[in-house]
Amino acid sequence: AQSVSQHNHHVILSEAASLELGCNYSYGGTVNLFWYVQYPGQHLQLLLKYFSGDPLVKGIKGFEAEFIKSKFSFNLRKPSVQWSDTAEYFCAVIAPGATNKLIFGTGTLLAVQP
Amino acid sequence: DAGVTQSPTHLIKTRGQQVTLRCSPKSGHDTVSWYQQALGQGPQFIFQYYEEEERQRGNFPDRFSGHQFPNYSSELNVNALLLGDSALYLCASSLPQGSSGGYTFGSGTRLTVV
Repeated sequence: AQSVSQHNHHVILSEAASLELGCNYSYGGTVNLFWYVQYPGQHLQLLLKYFSGDPLVKGIKGFEAEFIKSKFSFNLRKPSVQWSDTAEYFCAVIAPGATNKLIFGTGTLLAVQP
Repeated sequence: DAGVTQSPTHLIKTRGQQVTLRCSPKSGHDTVSWYQQALGQGPQFIFQYYEEEERQRGNFPDRFSGHQFPNYSSELNVNALLLGDSALYLCASSLPQGSSGGYTFGSGTRLTVV
């Protein structure tokens, strides 16, 4: 079945460590890609998005993601995490023909230890 | 401030009952989407409303219905509640071509069915 996969369900890092969260999708054609973050007790917030152009996308709070079409991947990265990055991270896709319908992965819970 | 307002924040219902959840979109947004987020899962698309009509629907039974009012606010109705309907229900608002501008999510309504 067509889907969005986040293979890391729970990640624990120390402050200043580098972060990479994986996201793979199984849709062909042109997709729109997103990363959302949900801090404890808060609403989903957009970190970054990719529609076209430069496959390296920079978002808020020092996050970036790279779209690799050949690998159907859109991994999220941050060079140095902070305790305040503790949150749940969701990758989402708008598949071809599915106008405005976000399809989410299952999420990755990141815990950053001070 | 999420910009999208959902009410109530928490709700407890009994199996077989009916529930109505409400959403006020961000100012300037006229499209409302509803998502169900079960514990440990990513949000699942229920349906989307634009110009007071259901524009897209996810894989949810007819027990889930909605409405959009002329002021763009929206309601989600669930009939004949099942224990499995317990989840966080999220509302997201956007412009009609929402993918380009992104979606603004509310903080959600936590529904517990007992």
